[in-house]
Amino acid sequence: DVKVTQSSRYLVKRTGEKVFLECVQDMDHENMFWYRQDPGLGLRLIYFSYDVKMKEKGDIPEGYSVSREKKERFSLILESASTNQTSMYLCASRVAGNQPQHFGDGTRLSIL
Amino acid sequence: DQQVKQNSPSLSVQEGRISILNCDYTNSMFDYFLWYKKYPAEGPTFLISISSIKDKNEDGRFTVFLNKSAKHLSLHIVPSQPGDSAVYFCAARTSNQAGTALIFGKGTTLSVSS
Repeated sequence: DVKVTQSSRYLVKRTGEKVFLECVQDMDHENMFWYRQDPGLGLRLIYFSYDVKMKEKGDIPEGYSVSREKKERFSLILESASTNQTSMYLCASRVAGNQPQHFGDGTRLSIL
Repeated sequence: DQQVKQNSPSLSVQEGRISILNCDYTNSMFDYFLWYKKYPAEGPTFLISISSIKDKNEDGRFTVFLNKSAKHLSLHIVPSQPGDSAVYFCAARTSNQAGTALIFGKGTTLSVSS
């Protein structure tokens, strides 16, 4: 069974802080993704990575960066957290090709 | 511009009846479509997929239909059960482009009453 683990279920940070969200998958998947989910807006893609050290911007990359130094780990970084980044963040991974993405349980991030 | 649209934010169905969730897309390059189910405070879980070479795929109580000419797909759940109450997301991608991500709709909240 695919396991995608996000380091925190709930996180509270202050505006201006640098925030790291970590995601690890145990299935040697090439592709990894970060989404945020907001009421009425569905899942919006922030960044994705199709291989180690590779990254691509999604639909809403502003205010975020990512790091993929190892195949199993994909980190999302909020450079200077703002209140409009309060959201549910979801990490996913997928083997290359026409396969479904598998999601972690999400991190509920609140920026105060 | 939304490439994947779920125009019904919510749907209420009685237990035992059929639930039909709809999804429209605008990008004719999409050739792989999926449905995900999401409970509160959990990540989405994969339900069923269909590639554009098919017009129907069935897995137990779940069937996905694809109408390429109308750029429309639907998920049928028969019979509906209270445990099916969740948010359902439609997603699509273009499989012949390496490293492309799924594009999701905004979701439809299904409520199944007993």
